[in-house]
Amino acid sequence: AQSVTQLDSQVPVFEEAPVELRCNYSSSVSVYLFWYVQYPNQGLQLLLKYLSGSTLVESINGFEAEFNKSQTSFHLRKPSVHISDTAEYFCAVSDRGTGGFKTIFGAGTRLFVKA
Amino acid sequence: NAGVTQTPKFQVLKTGQSMTLQCAQDMNHNSMYWYRQDPGMGLRLIYYSASEGTTDKGEVPNGYNVSRLNKREFSLRLESAAPSQTSVYFCASKFGTGVTGELFFGEGSRLTVL
Repeated sequence: AQSVTQLDSQVPVFEEAPVELRCNYSSSVSVYLFWYVQYPNQGLQLLLKYLSGSTLVESINGFEAEFNKSQTSFHLRKPSVHISDTAEYFCAVSDRGTGGFKTIFGAGTRLFVKA
Repeated sequence: NAGVTQTPKFQVLKTGQSMTLQCAQDMNHNSMYWYRQDPGMGLRLIYYSASEGTTDKGEVPNGYNVSRLNKREFSLRLESAAPSQTSVYFCASKFGTGVTGELFFGEGSRLTVL
């Protein structure tokens, strides 16, 4: 079964500084990876996804993630964070179950942006 | 634009009581999921339904049952609640049954079992 590991439970950073949230996945022939974001008291929403093709994927709000097969990583980066980026970020992988495809999440990384 | 709607949003139960969490989506999605979220553990899949008429166990199914009532609705039942089931529960849906689709989440149901 597929799994993902998020290496940092909390990441504090100052506004306008760069940030990297780390995610490693279990090795597989085919892997489909996602980053979701959860703002306080809300459900999760998709930030970006890697399915195939270019290993660098981008979101509309300045985040990007790079699929690295040799290091089995899918780290999320932003060159300059804003206070509004404060949220919890979840790395996820799509896995085949007996009943169909399911999405498995990591433990989450809480990003806290300080003024 | 309701999306995924969960009820109730908050519930307090005593140990041994039963309850059902309701979930409905209006996006004509095929697949539906129930997750629980606990601090430091992320989201863990309880049950899912890849299509109407099918259900399957996820990572933490013990103590729960589900019903895919129709294409729109997917309910989660706790037959005899335990304090370990105190959590925030999220319902999600996805358009297709394949590997690439985006999950759409409800706002969550916070359950406390005393």
